[in-house]
Amino acid sequence: AQSVTQLGSHVSVSEGALVLLRCNYSSSVPPYLFWYVQYPNQGLQLLLKYTSAATLVKGINGFEAEFKKSETSFHLTKPSAHMSDAAEYFCAVSEGAGNNRKLIWGLGTSLAVNP
Amino acid sequence: DTGVSQNPRHKITKRGQNVTFRCDPISEHNRLYWYRQTLGQGPEFLTYFQNEAQLEKSRLLSDRFSAERPKGSFSTLEIQRTEQGDSAMYLCASSPSRGGENYGYTFGSGTRLTVV
Repeated sequence: AQSVTQLGSHVSVSEGALVLLRCNYSSSVPPYLFWYVQYPNQGLQLLLKYTSAATLVKGINGFEAEFKKSETSFHLTKPSAHMSDAAEYFCAVSEGAGNNRKLIWGLGTSLAVNP
Repeated sequence: DTGVSQNPRHKITKRGQNVTFRCDPISEHNRLYWYRQTLGQGPEFLTYFQNEAQLEKSRLLSDRFSAERPKGSFSTLEIQRTEQGDSAMYLCASSPSRGGENYGYTFGSGTRLTVV
């Protein structure tokens, strides 16, 4: 079965600093990978996804992620953090085959942005 | 289209009572998913529908839980004889029939259940 590990449950950066949120996955087949963001008391919003096309994926709000098969990683980055980026971030891998896929989630990383 | 809508946003209930949540997906999406999320955890898959057919149920979905999507549009999730361990955020998501892996699921804002 596939699984997702997010390293670091809490990350704190200064406004304007680089954001790096780590995600490693395990999968026996080429995975589909996702990053979602969740603001307090809100649902999950898709930031970006990897679906076996370009390994460097650009998403919304200036975020991007690079799929590295050799490292089984899909880390999320943003060059310059903004206060509005403070939220919970979830990495997920799509499990299953054909039309019967569902998402397997990491535990999440809480990002704090300090002024 | 206003996205995926979930009602109510918050529900407080006494232990032992029954509760029902509703999810209205994006109209052209024929797949609908229910997830549960507890504090400090990622979402856990509960069940999913393709149109009106419930195609998969997680072992997390005990006999007290039932989900329906009678006309292939909105869905309801009912919890009978609620327990304190049922307290969580219940998230609904929808996707086109080609699968969320290509488009990413669209989530609602969730229903937060508190069992006292």
